[in-house]
Amino acid sequence: ETGVTQTPRHLVMGMTNKKSLKCEQHLGHNAMYWYKQSAKKPLELMFVYNFKEQTENNSVPSRFSPECPNSSHLFLHLHTLQPEDSALYLCASSPRANSNYGYTFGSGTRLTVV
Amino acid sequence: GESVGLHLPTLSVQEGDNSIINCAYSNSASDYFIWYKQESGKGPQFIIDIRSNMDKRQGQRVTVLLNKTVKHLSLQIAATQPGDSAVYFCAERSGGGADGLTFGKGTHLIIQP
Repeated sequence: ETGVTQTPRHLVMGMTNKKSLKCEQHLGHNAMYWYKQSAKKPLELMFVYNFKEQTENNSVPSRFSPECPNSSHLFLHLHTLQPEDSALYLCASSPRANSNYGYTFGSGTRLTVV
Repeated sequence: GESVGLHLPTLSVQEGDNSIINCAYSNSASDYFIWYKQESGKGPQFIIDIRSNMDKRQGQRVTVLLNKTVKHLSLQIAATQPGDSAVYFCAERSGGGADGLTFGKGTHLIIQP
């Protein structure tokens, strides 16, 4: 394990469902990130949180709603998703944002929207 | 806009040979670069990083080279092993105050026995 834990590992949801993805890190990091990984596309940055404050929303549709209650936990709330939202959603953390540190990634949640 | 990309989607090498994976970037303001390895079913794993004030950095069996003149980054893996089979991504930080790393598409490294 990398120190970044994502749950669930797999999720199948209908377009009218509401679900949440959870990410937890025990590395003492202060920045957390959501990335989307689709087949044959680069990882796409979705959201950045630094010391619990959202510092970047990379033009993500409002059907994705992030929440960061503290520096160790990050959620991604999902509602009325589309089939094209099916992808691997990766959470990452780093000591702080906007700095020259590598990210530690979780194993991701494989989301399928039916 | 800025982009980070890899030259080849797939690279096949013989076990024991050296591997070289290339990456081109377009943002001259980028000041930090990282190589990640992603195995099937796992998230990306940090391999090695380099700052823009360096042109070479070595780790265990891996070397990263940075050529800022032509905006080119490469990852060299010495004596490739079966466990090196994975998709390799380069990533950059733009250095312009933007948060978040920008990733390339990835190169799938295949090790032939």
